[in-house]
Amino acid sequence: GENVEQHPSTLSVQEGDSAVIKCTYSDSASNYFPWYKQELGKRPQLIIDIRSNVGEKKDQRIAVTLNKTAKHFSLHITETQPEDSAVYFCAASMANDYKLSFGAGTTVTVRA
Amino acid sequence: EADIYQTPRYLVIGTGKKITLECSQTMGHDKMYWYQQDPGMELHLIHYSYGVNSTEKGDLSSESTVSRIRTEHFPLTLESARPSHTSQYLCASAVGGLEKLFFGSGTQLSVL
Repeated sequence: GENVEQHPSTLSVQEGDSAVIKCTYSDSASNYFPWYKQELGKRPQLIIDIRSNVGEKKDQRIAVTLNKTAKHFSLHITETQPEDSAVYFCAASMANDYKLSFGAGTTVTVRA
Repeated sequence: EADIYQTPRYLVIGTGKKITLECSQTMGHDKMYWYQQDPGMELHLIHYSYGVNSTEKGDLSSESTVSRIRTEHFPLTLESARPSHTSQYLCASAVGGLEKLFFGSGTQLSVL
Protein backbone atom coordinates (compact mmCIF):
# COMPACT_ATOMS: atom_id res chain seq x y z
CA GLY A 1 0.00 0.00 0.00
CA GLU A 2 0.85 3.68 -0.05
CA ASN A 3 3.44 4.93 2.45
CA VAL A 4 3.38 8.62 3.39
CA GLU A 5 6.21 10.22 5.35
CA GLN A 6 5.80 13.64 6.95
CA HIS A 7 8.41 16.08 8.30
CA PRO A 8 8.99 17.70 10.68
CA SER A 9 7.11 16.04 13.54
CA THR A 10 7.04 19.32 15.49
CA LEU A 11 7.34 22.90 14.32
CA SER A 12 7.46 26.07 16.41
CA VAL A 13 7.15 29.42 14.65
CA GLN A 14 6.86 33.04 15.70
CA GLU A 15 3.50 34.62 15.01
CA GLY A 16 3.58 36.24 11.60
CA ASP A 17 6.27 33.92 10.23
CA SER A 18 5.70 31.16 7.69
CA ALA A 19 5.43 27.43 8.34
CA VAL A 20 6.25 24.68 5.87
CA ILE A 21 5.44 20.97 6.25
CA LYS A 22 6.72 18.41 3.76
CA CYS A 23 5.42 14.97 2.81
CA THR A 24 6.67 12.26 0.49
CA TYR A 25 4.70 9.36 -0.93
CA SER A 26 5.81 6.03 -2.32
CA ASP A 27 3.28 5.06 -4.99
CA SER A 28 3.46 7.00 -8.25
CA ALA A 29 -0.19 6.02 -8.91
CA SER A 30 -1.36 8.31 -6.09
CA ASN A 31 -3.23 11.29 -7.46
CA TYR A 32 -5.07 12.96 -4.58
CA PHE A 33 -3.30 14.77 -1.71
CA PRO A 34 -5.37 16.39 1.05
CA TRP A 35 -4.26 18.13 4.22
CA TYR A 36 -6.19 17.84 7.47
CA LYS A 37 -5.95 20.03 10.57
CA GLN A 38 -6.74 18.68 14.01
CA GLU A 39 -6.99 21.14 16.88
CA LEU A 40 -6.52 19.86 20.40
CA GLY A 41 -9.42 17.63 21.42
CA LYS A 42 -11.26 18.12 18.14
CA ARG A 43 -11.89 16.08 15.03
CA PRO A 44 -9.63 16.36 11.94
CA GLN A 45 -10.94 18.72 9.26
CA LEU A 46 -9.94 19.15 5.63
CA ILE A 47 -8.21 22.46 5.01
CA ILE A 48 -6.91 22.11 1.45
CA ASP A 49 -6.29 19.44 -1.15
CA ILE A 50 -4.60 19.05 -4.52
CA ARG A 51 -4.88 16.60 -7.38
CA SER A 52 -2.01 15.37 -9.51
CA ASN A 53 -2.97 17.43 -12.54
CA VAL A 54 -2.18 20.65 -10.63
CA GLY A 55 1.18 21.88 -9.32
CA GLU A 56 -0.01 24.42 -6.77
CA LYS A 57 -3.19 25.52 -5.05
CA LYS A 58 -3.83 28.47 -2.73
CA ASP A 59 -6.58 29.37 -0.29
CA GLN A 60 -5.95 32.64 1.52
CA ARG A 61 -2.95 32.04 3.83
CA ILE A 62 -2.45 28.39 3.02
CA ALA A 63 -1.03 26.82 -0.11
CA VAL A 64 -0.05 23.35 -1.22
CA THR A 65 2.56 22.46 -3.83
CA LEU A 66 3.03 19.12 -5.55
CA ASN A 67 6.09 17.70 -7.29
CA LYS A 68 4.98 14.49 -9.01
CA THR A 69 8.44 13.65 -10.32
CA ALA A 70 9.97 13.73 -6.86
CA LYS A 71 6.78 12.37 -5.26
CA HIS A 72 6.54 15.03 -2.62
CA PHE A 73 4.07 17.72 -1.63
CA SER A 74 4.18 20.55 0.89
CA LEU A 75 1.86 22.72 2.94
CA HIS A 76 2.74 26.39 3.32
CA ILE A 77 1.12 28.62 5.91
CA THR A 78 1.96 32.32 5.68
CA GLU A 79 1.47 35.03 8.31
CA THR A 80 0.86 32.43 11.01
CA GLN A 81 -1.61 33.21 13.77
CA PRO A 82 -2.22 31.56 17.17
CA GLU A 83 -5.29 29.76 15.78
CA ASP A 84 -2.98 27.95 13.34
CA SER A 85 -1.60 25.95 16.29
CA ALA A 86 -2.73 22.35 15.69
CA VAL A 87 -1.62 18.98 14.37
CA TYR A 88 -1.51 18.87 10.57
CA PHE A 89 -1.76 15.61 8.63
CA CYS A 90 -0.94 15.06 4.99
CA ALA A 91 -2.50 12.15 3.14
CA ALA A 92 -2.50 10.45 -0.25
CA SER A 93 -4.77 8.16 -2.21
CA MET A 94 -4.76 6.52 -5.60
CA ALA A 95 -7.31 6.84 -8.39
CA ASN A 96 -10.38 4.65 -7.76
CA ASP A 97 -9.04 3.73 -4.31
CA TYR A 98 -11.22 5.54 -1.83
CA LYS A 99 -8.85 5.22 1.11
CA LEU A 100 -6.47 7.78 2.51
CA SER A 101 -2.99 6.93 3.81
CA PHE A 102 -2.04 9.53 6.39
CA GLY A 103 1.36 10.86 7.42
CA ALA A 104 2.38 10.78 11.07
CA GLY A 105 1.38 14.40 11.67
CA THR A 106 3.16 17.68 12.44
CA THR A 107 2.44 19.55 15.66
CA VAL A 108 2.59 23.25 14.85
CA THR A 109 2.91 25.77 17.67
CA VAL A 110 2.61 29.48 16.90
CA ARG A 111 4.35 31.59 19.54
CA ALA A 112 2.79 34.98 20.30
CA GLU B 1 -28.35 18.64 11.45
CA ALA B 2 -26.41 16.49 8.97
CA ASP B 3 -23.37 15.15 10.77
CA ILE B 4 -21.52 12.04 11.84
CA TYR B 5 -22.11 10.91 15.39
CA GLN B 6 -20.09 8.63 17.64
CA THR B 7 -21.11 7.17 20.98
CA PRO B 8 -19.97 6.85 23.62
CA ARG B 9 -17.54 9.79 23.76
CA TYR B 10 -15.54 8.11 26.55
CA LEU B 11 -15.53 4.47 27.66
CA VAL B 12 -13.64 2.82 30.50
CA ILE B 13 -14.02 -0.94 30.77
CA GLY B 14 -12.34 -3.99 32.22
CA THR B 15 -10.30 -6.57 30.34
CA GLY B 16 -12.32 -9.28 28.61
CA LYS B 17 -15.49 -7.24 28.13
CA LYS B 18 -17.30 -7.10 24.80
CA ILE B 19 -17.89 -3.58 23.53
CA THR B 20 -19.49 -1.92 20.54
CA LEU B 21 -18.59 1.59 19.41
CA GLU B 22 -21.42 3.27 17.55
CA CYS B 23 -21.09 5.45 14.46
CA SER B 24 -23.95 6.96 12.52
CA GLN B 25 -24.04 9.57 9.78
CA THR B 26 -27.04 11.47 8.49
CA MET B 27 -25.44 12.71 5.28
CA GLY B 28 -26.28 9.71 3.08
CA HIS B 29 -22.60 8.97 2.50
CA ASP B 30 -21.80 5.62 0.91
CA LYS B 31 -18.24 5.31 2.23
CA MET B 32 -17.43 4.89 5.92
CA TYR B 33 -14.17 4.32 7.77
CA TRP B 34 -12.76 3.53 11.20
CA TYR B 35 -9.40 5.01 12.22
CA GLN B 36 -7.41 4.33 15.38
CA GLN B 37 -5.43 7.28 16.75
CA ASP B 38 -3.36 7.85 19.86
CA PRO B 39 -3.61 11.53 20.94
CA GLY B 40 -2.07 13.81 18.31
CA MET B 41 -0.51 10.84 16.56
CA GLU B 42 -0.89 9.13 13.20
CA LEU B 43 -4.30 8.00 11.94
CA HIS B 44 -4.34 4.26 11.23
CA LEU B 45 -7.11 2.84 9.02
CA ILE B 46 -8.53 -0.33 10.61
CA HIS B 47 -11.79 -0.89 8.69
CA TYR B 48 -13.71 0.59 5.79
CA SER B 49 -16.92 0.11 3.85
CA TYR B 50 -17.98 1.31 0.43
CA GLY B 51 -21.65 0.47 0.90
CA VAL B 52 -24.20 -1.78 2.55
CA ASN B 53 -22.93 -5.33 3.17
CA SER B 54 -19.42 -4.29 2.11
CA THR B 55 -16.62 -4.29 4.72
CA GLU B 56 -12.86 -4.55 4.40
CA LYS B 57 -9.91 -4.57 6.77
CA GLY B 58 -7.59 -1.60 6.69
CA ASP B 59 -3.82 -1.25 6.77
CA LEU B 60 -3.49 -1.70 10.53
CA SER B 61 -4.32 -5.15 11.82
CA SER B 62 -7.12 -5.01 14.34
CA GLU B 63 -8.95 -7.60 16.41
CA SER B 64 -12.15 -5.62 16.02
CA THR B 65 -14.96 -6.36 13.58
CA VAL B 66 -17.46 -4.12 11.80
CA SER B 67 -20.80 -4.44 10.06
CA ARG B 68 -22.68 -2.31 7.52
CA ILE B 69 -26.31 -3.40 7.47
CA ARG B 70 -27.64 0.11 6.92
CA THR B 71 -26.08 2.96 4.96
CA GLU B 72 -26.03 5.31 7.93
CA HIS B 73 -24.69 2.90 10.57
CA PHE B 74 -21.17 1.44 10.89
CA PRO B 75 -20.57 -0.04 14.37
CA LEU B 76 -17.24 -1.45 15.54
CA THR B 77 -17.13 -4.40 17.95
CA LEU B 78 -14.39 -5.79 20.18
CA GLU B 79 -15.31 -9.27 21.43
CA SER B 80 -12.78 -9.26 24.27
CA ALA B 81 -11.15 -5.95 25.12
CA ARG B 82 -7.52 -5.80 26.27
CA PRO B 83 -5.34 -2.95 27.57
CA SER B 84 -3.58 -2.85 24.17
CA HIS B 85 -6.91 -1.69 22.68
CA THR B 86 -6.72 1.54 24.67
CA SER B 87 -6.81 4.33 22.08
CA GLN B 88 -9.06 6.84 20.37
CA TYR B 89 -11.31 5.48 17.64
CA LEU B 90 -12.43 7.91 14.93
CA CYS B 91 -15.24 7.18 12.51
CA ALA B 92 -15.38 9.00 9.17
CA SER B 93 -17.56 9.11 6.08
CA ALA B 94 -17.28 10.34 2.51
CA VAL B 95 -19.30 10.46 -0.65
CA GLY B 96 -18.35 10.08 -4.28
CA GLY B 97 -14.71 10.49 -5.15
CA LEU B 98 -13.28 11.01 -1.66
CA GLU B 99 -13.21 14.79 -2.00
CA LYS B 100 -13.62 15.22 1.73
CA LEU B 101 -13.62 12.96 4.77
CA PHE B 102 -16.01 13.96 7.54
CA PHE B 103 -14.83 12.77 10.94
CA GLY B 104 -16.84 12.07 14.06
CA SER B 105 -15.78 13.38 17.46
CA GLY B 106 -14.24 10.05 18.37
CA THR B 107 -14.53 7.52 21.18
CA GLN B 108 -11.73 7.48 23.73
CA LEU B 109 -11.47 3.87 24.92
CA SER B 110 -9.57 2.86 28.05
CA VAL B 111 -9.27 -0.82 28.91
CA LEU B 112 -8.09 -1.53 32.45
